[in-house]
Amino acid sequence: ETGVTQTPRHLVMGMTNKKSLKCEQHLGHNAMYWYKQSAKKPLELMFVYNFKEQTENNSVPSRFSPECPNSSHLFLHLHTLQPEDSALYLCASSLRGQGSWGTEAFFGQGTRLTVV
Amino acid sequence: GQQLNQSPQSMFIQEGEDVSMNCTSSSIFNTWLWYKQDPGEGPVLLIALYKAGELTSNGRLTAQFGITRKDSFLNISASIPSDVGIYFCAGQLGNAGGTSYGKLTFGQGTILTVHP
Repeated sequence: ETGVTQTPRHLVMGMTNKKSLKCEQHLGHNAMYWYKQSAKKPLELMFVYNFKEQTENNSVPSRFSPECPNSSHLFLHLHTLQPEDSALYLCASSLRGQGSWGTEAFFGQGTRLTVV
Repeated sequence: GQQLNQSPQSMFIQEGEDVSMNCTSSSIFNTWLWYKQDPGEGPVLLIALYKAGELTSNGRLTAQFGITRKDSFLNISASIPSDVGIYFCAGQLGNAGGTSYGKLTFGQGTILTVHP
């Protein structure tokens, strides 16, 4: 248990569906992230939120829409996805502050997404 | 963008053997992190390194932050079957304002198999 909880753990959706992934952290962190892990590729950063404000969008297609209502919750809204979007989607959180110490990211267990 | 080269890609060892893996980067990082990921789970932080030259241990694991800030290695001593998994290095940068946070660049991972 890392203190970062993701739901659902598994999701199968059609290309015309709309679904949302949820992430919640109980670590008192002030930054949250979405990462994508595809087979045979390194983890890729998708979005960064700092104090609920989106600070980075790593050229992610608009069919992925993040939402961060507060510093403990993060959502990823999905619509009209493609089969190649099937992957493990990982949420992470960290502290953001001066210096490096204590700013490591802690990950949730991920949502295994399959687009059919 | 930055890239991390992690090697080896996979290792097959006997229980009790020592393991060594490393990461090299084309540019410098302020923090090096090592994670382990079990199948169907998110990455779990093993060791965080904050200073060039730093050598840190966590049980049977030892990691070092290279002097040039462009590389890091992880050693596992006296491997056991539960060491099986994928090990990732990750580099973390701060921004120009001096703040640091969990925006990570990941290596491709080292798949470790331990035979009893």
